[in-house]
Amino acid sequence: DQQVKQNSPSLSVQEGRISILNCDYTNSMFDYFLWYKKYPAEGPTFLISISSIKDKNEDGRFTVFLNKSAKHLSLHIVPSQPGDSAVYFCAASDTPNAGNMLTFGGGTRLMVKP
Amino acid sequence: KAGVTQTPRYLIKTRGQQVTLSCSPISGHRSVSWYQQTPGQGLQFLFEYFSETQRNKGNFPGRFSGRQFSNSRSEMNVSTLELGDSALYLCASSQRTDPTEAFFGQGTRLTVV
Repeated sequence: DQQVKQNSPSLSVQEGRISILNCDYTNSMFDYFLWYKKYPAEGPTFLISISSIKDKNEDGRFTVFLNKSAKHLSLHIVPSQPGDSAVYFCAASDTPNAGNMLTFGGGTRLMVKP
Repeated sequence: KAGVTQTPRYLIKTRGQQVTLSCSPISGHRSVSWYQQTPGQGLQFLFEYFSETQRNKGNFPGRFSGRQFSNSRSEMNVSTLELGDSALYLCASSQRTDPTEAFFGQGTRLTVV
């Protein structure tokens, strides 16, 4: 039973446009949500996080939105750049009970075309 | 500051053998978590260590084990290797006060033949 799902395995957008990556979760105990970017042959790199007490968190070109009632979060990248092409994972944690145990979605491959 | 270091980067083992992977966390980080990444299952949590104690364990068989040393370095061991253990093994470290920001190493690519 996948508690965190990324239903779109891939996404292709034009450079300069907005990229929207989506993530759904089922466990209502999740308190923190994170997005990671992963290039081939490298470990995931932390991008941005959001606590369940917020509905939006922004960091430069990256904004994460959280809709707790829908158990849905999304990552917006504006404007998209070719260097953003990577696999993006959303992850969730029900800290403090679970320490640093993260539950990951299956990932979405983003391709930004020049 | 230096990032999370995993050694070796690549490893080829035969079925039935055992393997030990190493992870050196970022200086000052006391928590080390291990994940297995496979094409079919994505990223799955193996276990987490904090101050030499295992805090959490994922749903993996007992063939997978780990430990953490007093300098926070961690090792994971897989015994009686199976073909399905072929994966990228990632470790992540974090500070105790900010558990939601885990920094990952580059991983060890294990191939079981």
